[in-house]
Amino acid sequence: KNQVEQSPQSLIILEGKNCTLQCNYTVSPFSNLRWYKQDTGRGPVSLTIMTFSENTKSNGRYTATLDADTKQSSLHITASQLSDSASYICVVSARAGKSTFGDGTTLTVKP
Amino acid sequence: EAGVTQFPSHSVIEKGQTVTLRCDPISGHDNLYWYRRVMGKEIKFLLHFVKESKQDESGMPNNRFLAERTGGTYSTLKVQPAELEDSGVYFCASSQELARNTIYFGEGSWLTVV
Repeated sequence: KNQVEQSPQSLIILEGKNCTLQCNYTVSPFSNLRWYKQDTGRGPVSLTIMTFSENTKSNGRYTATLDADTKQSSLHITASQLSDSASYICVVSARAGKSTFGDGTTLTVKP
Repeated sequence: EAGVTQFPSHSVIEKGQTVTLRCDPISGHDNLYWYRRVMGKEIKFLLHFVKESKQDESGMPNNRFLAERTGGTYSTLKVQPAELEDSGVYFCASSQELARNTIYFGEGSWLTVV
């Protein structure tokens, strides 16, 4: 069964600090991995997308890594801002196009 | 460019009633997806259209749910009759092609069945 597990479930950090969110998956055959940011009451917004051959992808202060051998990904947020407070969702897609979502990590950035 | 739009944004209906959710994908996107997030759980796949054809509807929970995409443009998701456990957020998303393209999500239709 395809699964995506994210950790931690929730995280509280101070403004300006860095943090790293984890995503482990068992989706096969693997096509791509996406990180989304979902603000409360809004739809998910794409941050990064990585295919099998890509190890790292950056989008501003967001940097995602992918280790296809160990089936792990991380999302690193640098110099956090209050607006980074949101749910971060890891989504892994199989080649048939079906996507499996993680439960998300709820990040709270405090001043 | 307009994003994926969904209507209604919020809906409260009684058990047994019917609700129809609408999704307008980004213009030119052949792929349209429906997902839902029920209380406290992860977002789950419902089905996938390629143009007007149902590519994969394995995530549809039961026959009370009917999705259509006539003409390959907008899509509707009808729940009839609605049950309490249908409450949640229904997301629509669209993309141009499957593999490398970003899937763009709508803001979601928040359904509450009372």
